[in-house]
Amino acid sequence: GAVVSQHPSWVICKSGTSVKIECRSLDFQATTMFWYRQFPKQSLMLMATSNEGSKATYEQGVEKDKFLINHASLTLSTLTVTSAHPEDSSFYICSATPPSGTSTDTQYFGPGTRLTVL
Amino acid sequence: RKEVEQDPGPFNVPEGATVAFNCTYSNSASQSFFWYRQDCRKEPKLLMSVYSSGNEDGRFTAQLNRASQYISLLIRDSKLSDSATYLCVVNMRGGFQKLVFGTGTRLLVSP
Repeated sequence: GAVVSQHPSWVICKSGTSVKIECRSLDFQATTMFWYRQFPKQSLMLMATSNEGSKATYEQGVEKDKFLINHASLTLSTLTVTSAHPEDSSFYICSATPPSGTSTDTQYFGPGTRLTVL
Repeated sequence: RKEVEQDPGPFNVPEGATVAFNCTYSNSASQSFFWYRQDCRKEPKLLMSVYSSGNEDGRFTAQLNRASQYISLLIRDSKLSDSATYLCVVNMRGGFQKLVFGTGTRLLVSP
């Protein structure tokens, strides 16, 4: 199956700093990548949809100036949490879909990044 | 009302048991449906898609009832390795995806 990687797998940072998370599709080109957040004992919540070469589409309630998304190539999307605060501590997971013509319903998930803001 | 609702469990069953999970969704225009499995502190992994005609994959059977907006997952002959959280997932948009996840149902299979 398709492989999606994320880096780093975990990060601890001080309040007020920015953290960048990378999401890569390793064996396919992904025109669309998705960023999710999961708080303890809660479901995954879609934060934004990232399309290669264009601006990301953010879900309602997600601050686009705080969660910067860049999808500069067909295999890489980055999420930068700017001026992180303790309430941003969460499990951030990306996913990617293969190109159209294949199973476009399927999303392949990265292993997630656990962010802890002190 | 939540977009996707599941009983959080946990369901505690012995090895070899049959267990069923249910899920309801609120948007009648939802396009496609899935069951994902998530192990503790890991990413979700696709278990199976769910079709109107029902589908089976080994010990796992999924059913969709569009009229009742209801999805089910049946696991037969439970194994210890089946212990995980099972996420009901609904694609709310046709074509362009928006996957909405339920909070999951936790399954614990004991020896």
